[in-house]
Amino acid sequence: DTAVSQTPKYLVTQMGNDKSIKCEQNLGHDTMYWYKQDSKKFLKIMFSYNNKELIINETVPNRFSPKSPDKAHLNLHINSLELGDSAVYFCASSQLGGGSGELFFGEGSRLTVL
Amino acid sequence: AQSVAQPEDQVNVAEGNPLTVKCTYSVSGNPYLFWYVQYPNRGLQFLLKYITGDNLVKGSYGFEAEFNKSQTSFHLKKPSALVSDSALYFCAVRDTGRRALTFGSGTRLQVQP
Repeated sequence: DTAVSQTPKYLVTQMGNDKSIKCEQNLGHDTMYWYKQDSKKFLKIMFSYNNKELIINETVPNRFSPKSPDKAHLNLHINSLELGDSAVYFCASSQLGGGSGELFFGEGSRLTVL
Repeated sequence: AQSVAQPEDQVNVAEGNPLTVKCTYSVSGNPYLFWYVQYPNRGLQFLLKYITGDNLVKGSYGFEAEFNKSQTSFHLKKPSALVSDSALYFCAVRDTGRRALTFGSGTRLQVQP
């Protein structure tokens, strides 16, 4: 059973298009995250939801919009894609309430914008 | 603000030798410290964590890490490296007031046969 699953694994698209990445966790965690890993492998937090409430919203262009329909799902929609959006996007989950907060990651979604 | 530094981009070690991957951190409160490993085209896998208690923590695959409060360090160690340990290693920190991990820049470990 995959603990944190995200789809699709690969996206290749043209500049200006809109795309979505979906994430689901079956660990019963209360918090989910989106991280971006760039070509130099730097990992940066983008968003976090705790029990469907947005708790972290880092300096990210408003073309990026997260949505959490329930605490097991966190989706990422990106409008008007730009070349600089090319990266690997990782979804993660953790148990913040009563936990130490270690993250469990999905396998990543590699976005290539042409 | 919380931050993590991994001063080495790459560490090379011969199989069977001990390895150390360095990490220093900066937080305003008490730190929660973590190590993760990333294999090519994969997500990050949790290795070990320090929350409180014994300064030497043991984790998966024979790895351990030593928390040193005075030096604000949390170095990853393994007594005998394997070729299969070759991967990208990330140190991460969270202070008690923050709700996300901040990651270091990563250290590529290359274990030669």
